[in-house]
Amino acid sequence: SQQGEEDPQALSIQEGENATMNCSYKTSINNLQWYRQNSGRGLVHLILIRSNEREKHSGRLRVTLDTSKKSSSLLITASRAADTASYFCATVAKTSYDKVIFGPGTSLSVIP
Amino acid sequence: KAGVTQTPRYLIKTRGQQVTLSCSPISGHRSVSWYQQTPGQGLQFLFEYFSETQRNKGNFPGRFSGRQFSNSRSEMNVSTLELGDSALYLCASSYSGQGENGYTFGSGTRLTVV
Repeated sequence: SQQGEEDPQALSIQEGENATMNCSYKTSINNLQWYRQNSGRGLVHLILIRSNEREKHSGRLRVTLDTSKKSSSLLITASRAADTASYFCATVAKTSYDKVIFGPGTSLSVIP
Repeated sequence: KAGVTQTPRYLIKTRGQQVTLSCSPISGHRSVSWYQQTPGQGLQFLFEYFSETQRNKGNFPGRFSGRQFSNSRSEMNVSTLELGDSALYLCASSYSGQGENGYTFGSGTRLTVV
């Protein structure tokens, strides 16, 4: 099965609310990345957190990483309608630097 | 600087035919990875090339192949197309392929097999 698993599969919130997505993985990682995809287009890299980091911020995004639980969360604060997209976590395993494994994604709908 | 360019954007092929997709990475990036995205299977890793060498391969049949040229441009080929090969094919480029700075994706090629 895939390295990363997102939860929930789908999330619907009102504009202005915060959105939290979770990702679990199975093996030791070098880093974990979050991507956004709009309507079957290419993926856009949002943020990368290394295995020795616990929290990272980028604008309205906050990512946490708990390597003991093999899990990560992505928080989008003050969501906007433009945040409507699918969000994927991706892991780069320590044993395979070149092979990025994606989870099934969380579909986020932000209602204006 | 220019992003990752994938051509063509859309393709319709008949079962049994073969297809070649192209990916031009960001200038200076030497690693190109390919992914297949379908509603049922999600994003699945096909293979990764670095300096014209395939360094990693996913669990796809031999009908899926690729190559990389000296200018880092990459092509992937699917022979004897099956209906199940209908998907969005994405390529991603990075400087070293080690994921240290994330990957830049192209907009993808939407392949429909009829």
